[in-house]
Amino acid sequence: DIQMTQSPSSLSASVEDRVTITCRASQSISRYLNWYQQKPGEAPKVLIYAAYSLQSGVPSRFSGSGSGTEFTLTISSLQPEDFATYYCQQSHSTPYTFGQGTKLEI
Amino acid sequence: EVQLVESGGGLVKPGGSLRLSCAASGFTFNSYTINWFRQAPGKGLEWVSSISSGSTFIYYADSVKGRFTISRDNAKNSLYLQMDSLRAEDTAVYYCARLETVTHGVVFDYWGQGTLVTVSS
Repeated sequence: DIQMTQSPSSLSASVEDRVTITCRASQSISRYLNWYQQKPGEAPKVLIYAAYSLQSGVPSRFSGSGSGTEFTLTISSLQPEDFATYYCQQSHSTPYTFGQGTKLEI
Repeated sequence: EVQLVESGGGLVKPGGSLRLSCAASGFTFNSYTINWFRQAPGKGLEWVSSISSGSTFIYYADSVKGRFTISRDNAKNSLYLQMDSLRAEDTAVYYCARLETVTHGVVFDYWGQGTLVTVSS
């Protein structure tokens, strides 16, 4: 199975900060990497697919980059509604595995 | 509007069974692969199972293989997860999610709200 490791596990930031979350895969997954946001009590919501493609309706302050084994999710200017947990997920092969999550706190 | 609505969760004793359902609307259900995921309380996301549009391709996580069975009824726009021999570690919120094929791989673009399964004596 492909292991996905996110860092940091938690992050404290302020509104309008720029933040970056890193995700590493245990083997090369090309661009087969998605990012999700999850708020308490809600289902995950896709933000970025195929490493850097922005999902329709997602604000442009979210961006993704990377390929191979290292990927990043960047939020250019944090808004109050962005405080949530973020997960990376590889779609290279089943089982589709997720990172352990990054909790973004005020 | 695409909607996925799970039901069937509840409290069950270890060794017991439960059948989850996922009702789909707002899209051509029989054209999409649908997946089950789960999230234990306070934990991360885990992929559970996948079934292709015509039920030809079915996959399971090792943690549920031999105990869970995924199925679908395209005439009813419904997905199911039969869960047998349940264990405490199966306690989680279970989500169904639609799989969309993209330029590189797949993405789970629509999710249900989840249904809670609690396995406890």
